[in-house]
Amino acid sequence: KQEVTQIPAALSVPEGENLVLNCSFTDSAIYNLQWFRQDPGKGLTSLLLIQSSQREQTSGRLNASLDKSSGRSTLYIAASQPGDSATYLCAFNAGNMLTFGGGTRLMVKP
Amino acid sequence: GAGVSQSPRYKVAKRGQDVALRCDPISGHVSLFWYQQALGQGPEFLTYFQNEAQLDKSGLPSDRFFAERPEGSVSTLKIQRTQQEDSAVYLCASSWNRGRTDTQYFGPGTRLTVL
Repeated sequence: KQEVTQIPAALSVPEGENLVLNCSFTDSAIYNLQWFRQDPGKGLTSLLLIQSSQREQTSGRLNASLDKSSGRSTLYIAASQPGDSATYLCAFNAGNMLTFGGGTRLMVKP
Repeated sequence: GAGVSQSPRYKVAKRGQDVALRCDPISGHVSLFWYQQALGQGPEFLTYFQNEAQLDKSGLPSDRFFAERPEGSVSTLKIQRTQQEDSAVYLCASSWNRGRTDTQYFGPGTRLTVL
């Protein structure tokens, strides 16, 4: 069974810092991975999707990488802003469903 | 266009009651998924539909949980004889085709509280 771990579970940084969120998984037989953002009481917003044949995807200040051989993905957020405060979830698709990590709760302080 | 919608957004049920949660996927999306998210945790897969066919229900926690999508669009998740451990946010997602390579788009969820 695929297991997904996100480290750290919580992170508090001052505005403007560059930061890295980590995600590790146990099974390299994946189709793709997605990074999501979840605001309190809200659903999930897809940020980036990386197919298994790709190594990274970029959108604005966000960059996500995928290394299947080491079982790791990272989400890099450049020049963090208070509006980035949310829970960030990674999820792997190894079949028809997504398997999620527990999330990293990010707080960016002004 | 409109995203995935879910209703009700909040549901309070007394232990033992039956509840029905509705999901309206993005128009034209073939695949539909239900997930359960306990407080402070990531979502966990419940079941998957491709059009009207329920292809995977391996995540349903008990036979009290039942899902249907009779016309291949709207889906309903039904929980019979609710228990306190059923309290969670129930998320619905849809994707364009078979779900293996496509982005899944999530609705806002239904927060179920069982007293």
